Amino acid sequence: GAVVSQHPSWVICKSGTSVKIECRSLDFQATTMFWYRQFPKQSLMLMATSNEGSKATYEQGVEKDKFLINHASLTLSTLTVTSAHPEDSSFYICSAPAWDRGQGDGYTFGSGTRLTVV
Amino acid sequence: AQTVTQSQPEMSVQEAETVTLSCTYDTSESNYYLFWYKQPPSRQMILVIRQEAYKQQNATENRFSVNFQKAAKSFSLKISDSQLGDTAMYFCAFLPINAGNMLTFGGGTRLMVKP
Repeated sequence: GAVVSQHPSWVICKSGTSVKIECRSLDFQATTMFWYRQFPKQSLMLMATSNEGSKATYEQGVEKDKFLINHASLTLSTLTVTSAHPEDSSFYICSAPAWDRGQGDGYTFGSGTRLTVV
Repeated sequence: AQTVTQSQPEMSVQEAETVTLSCTYDTSESNYYLFWYKQPPSRQMILVIRQEAYKQQNATENRFSVNFQKAAKSFSLKISDSQLGDTAMYFCAFLPINAGNMLTFGGGTRLMVKP
């Protein structure tokens, strides 16, 4: 099945530094990658949609300059949290459509990254 | 735009018993998919079951089954013979067919299976 590998699984960084999160599609080509943020005991909140070779589309209220998304290849999408602050601490999840056999396969999700900014 | 509502923030069930999680949605689309995803403490999202809107037959996957009522826009998940490993957050999700790729999630239901 379609697998998305997400790294790192957890990271602690100092306030003001930047952190990069990578999502790789291992056995399929992910032309689209969705990036979510999840607060404890809450649902997934879509932050942005990245498409290979083009600019990402950000949801309303998401700062483009703080959450930089790059989708330079069909197998790699990255999210960089720039100048991180404690309020950026959260769980970040990437997801790609598993379209190989049609939309009925839904999405495949990365294992998530727990970011803690101290 | 679509909305997905899960009216039960938390539920609990005794091991081996049956529990039903509710989900309603609102859409003007006529053709779509509905999903239930499970997020255990590891936080890895796992697909539990899917339903195609044009299929009248309710989907079943082992101990998991759905009650899909298209006219009522209802999509509940029934878990039979609940196991401790079923303890997780459960999310209902909606995906329109050929109308964009965006998956819309409900707010989630936290299920606790008690021994």
